[in-house]
Amino acid sequence: AQSVTQPDIHITVSEGASLELRCNYSYGATPYLFWYVQSPGQGLQLLLKYFSGDTLVQGIKGFEAEFKRSQSSFNLRKPSVHWSDAAEYFCAVGDRAYGNKLVFGAGTILRVKS
Amino acid sequence: DAGVTQSPTHLIKTRGQHVTLRCSPISGHKSVSWYQQVLGQGPQFIFQYYEKEERGRGNFPDRFSARQFPNYSSELNVNALLLGDSALYLCASSPGGPSNYGYTFGSGTRLTVV
Repeated sequence: AQSVTQPDIHITVSEGASLELRCNYSYGATPYLFWYVQSPGQGLQLLLKYFSGDTLVQGIKGFEAEFKRSQSSFNLRKPSVHWSDAAEYFCAVGDRAYGNKLVFGAGTILRVKS
Repeated sequence: DAGVTQSPTHLIKTRGQHVTLRCSPISGHKSVSWYQQVLGQGPQFIFQYYEKEERGRGNFPDRFSARQFPNYSSELNVNALLLGDSALYLCASSPGGPSNYGYTFGSGTRLTVV
């Protein structure tokens, strides 16, 4: 079955420091991969997605992610974190056997310290 | 343009009761999906509807049902509520068919079962 693992429940970084959030997936075919961000009391906002092509994907708010098939990973990165980036981040894989169903990881809570 | 609208934003129900949650998609979007997000977990797929037909169902009991109306709005119904049904219920709409991943999420309905 398709699954997504986000190994880090919480991450704390200093403002201005770089960030990497880890995501590993299990999927039988070429995956569609996504990163979403959720602020408290809010819905999910799409940061970026990978369907095919260039394995380095640029997203909104200065985020990028790299698809590594050999490692089954799709890690999210940002070179310099801002206090407003504090939120919960979810990695997801599109399960094409069920239309456009998304399978989400458990999320990583990002805290930014000044 | 209005985003995905969900109502109510919060509600409290008693065990055994029934609840109806409502979702209005972005104008022009024909696909609506429902997700359940229990505290501390990632969203889990419940249903997808496209052109008023069910196109996908997650691993939820028959107490959960949904429908999509001619104007593409949707309702999620949950019967015989259990404490474990307490969660944030997210609706997402997308413009295209079952393989379209252009989701926009609403802010959700927070359901508390006591």
